[in-house]
Amino acid sequence: GAGVSQSPSNKVTEKGKDVELRCDPISGHTALYWYRQSLGQGLEFLIYFQGNSAPDKSGLPSDRFSAERTGGSVSTLTIQRTQQEDSAVYLCASSFGLAGGPSPDTQYFGPGTRLTVL
Amino acid sequence: AQSVAQPEDQVNVAEGNPLTVKCTYSVSGNPYLFWYVQYPNRGLQFLLKYITGDNLVKGSYGFEAEFNKSQTSFHLKKPSALVSDSALYFCAVRLQGGYQKVTFGTGTKLQVIP
Repeated sequence: GAGVSQSPSNKVTEKGKDVELRCDPISGHTALYWYRQSLGQGLEFLIYFQGNSAPDKSGLPSDRFSAERTGGSVSTLTIQRTQQEDSAVYLCASSFGLAGGPSPDTQYFGPGTRLTVL
Repeated sequence: AQSVAQPEDQVNVAEGNPLTVKCTYSVSGNPYLFWYVQYPNRGLQFLLKYITGDNLVKGSYGFEAEFNKSQTSFHLKKPSALVSDSALYFCAVRLQGGYQKVTFGTGTKLQVIP
């Protein structure tokens, strides 16, 4: 079946512009996660969705970052007034989560969006 | 706070030799432990996980990992390395029960030399 997809695969933007990153999770997965991967760093947790609600937003680094999820499916991560330090690969993952199903804890990752802020 | 340490930034091993990628963790409770692999320009792929039961966990592509509670370790192993195993490997931990945040290590680059 289809895996997690993300778009765009690459995004180059100018400092101060807003960007939107999209994630399409695996069908049936109720949990969705956003991470940020910077060079030489591990994965930095940003936000977790269960259905359309976000019970854990503790990883969002500033109020310039926001995310939403609609219809329990597609999610959009928005970064306003981008800064050069926002440059990273943004990864989305999904899992069955609290809805149960096989291996509810196992997260399946998309290929990521490489964001470059000039 | 929970944490994961991968003490080696890079591991080099000759093709056909056994490989070990080290991981230690810190968590206040019973853990779930994971290994993921990231091939160049691709997302992370799940390799294996420890939930409970047998301390030796077998996963994809011939990899296995041993949960050692006393040493708080979860090292990844393979008896015979392949060049195609060259990739970035991440260890991750979370607490058992309900929703719990997953903490990832910084990754270890495995280079298998022909």
